[in-house]
Amino acid sequence: AQSVTQLDSHVSVSEGTPVLLRCNYSSSYSPSLFWYVQHPNKGLQLLLKYTSAATLVKGINGFEAEFKKSETSFHLTKPSAHMSDAAEYFCVVSEWRTGRRALTFGSGTRLQVQP
Amino acid sequence: GAVVSQHPSRVICKSGTSVKIECRSLDFQATTMFWYRQFPKQSLMLMATSNEGSKATYEQGVEKDKFLINHASLTLSTLTVTSAHPEDSSFYICSARDRGLAYGYTFGSGTRLTVV
Repeated sequence: AQSVTQLDSHVSVSEGTPVLLRCNYSSSYSPSLFWYVQHPNKGLQLLLKYTSAATLVKGINGFEAEFKKSETSFHLTKPSAHMSDAAEYFCVVSEWRTGRRALTFGSGTRLQVQP
Repeated sequence: GAVVSQHPSRVICKSGTSVKIECRSLDFQATTMFWYRQFPKQSLMLMATSNEGSKATYEQGVEKDKFLINHASLTLSTLTVTSAHPEDSSFYICSARDRGLAYGYTFGSGTRLTVV
């Protein structure tokens, strides 16, 4: 079985300060992990993905995430928040499910950026 | 880059009617597309996996007769909500796997369905 836990439902930061969105996963196999961002009433945009290559993954818009197998974590970080970063963020695990690959989503973290 | 177009973005229908939502991969072929449902302030729940030229695979608890999926070509999958009821009101999102992204998935912009 596979699951994804996003430890914070809401995170609020000031513009220009660092962002940390936490994600823990459980998986029976070597997982593929993703972070997606969703703006209100919009679809999801891929920020970055981990597929068993480098453990530190760099994504778009200055985001990066580090895969830590020993801690079963894949936290998302950004050195300096921008107002446009305010959105919902989903940590996602890719798994094989009855012969096909499917995604399991975390519950999401809403990021607020204060001016 | 890979683009998935979903239409309509917003639809309001009367209870008892049917609504069709289209999902198109614009610049790549998608043998597999996924349909998700998202309730307010909640995460995405996989409803079904749509396979080109074959029957869709539904997740447990999803009524296949209510949510009809057709994937007749490599660039188009449709979800039809039949005999819609207010409890079917939700945000529906499709996704297609772009092989060029190596397990990456491209999402449509979503459809807000309101059943009155």
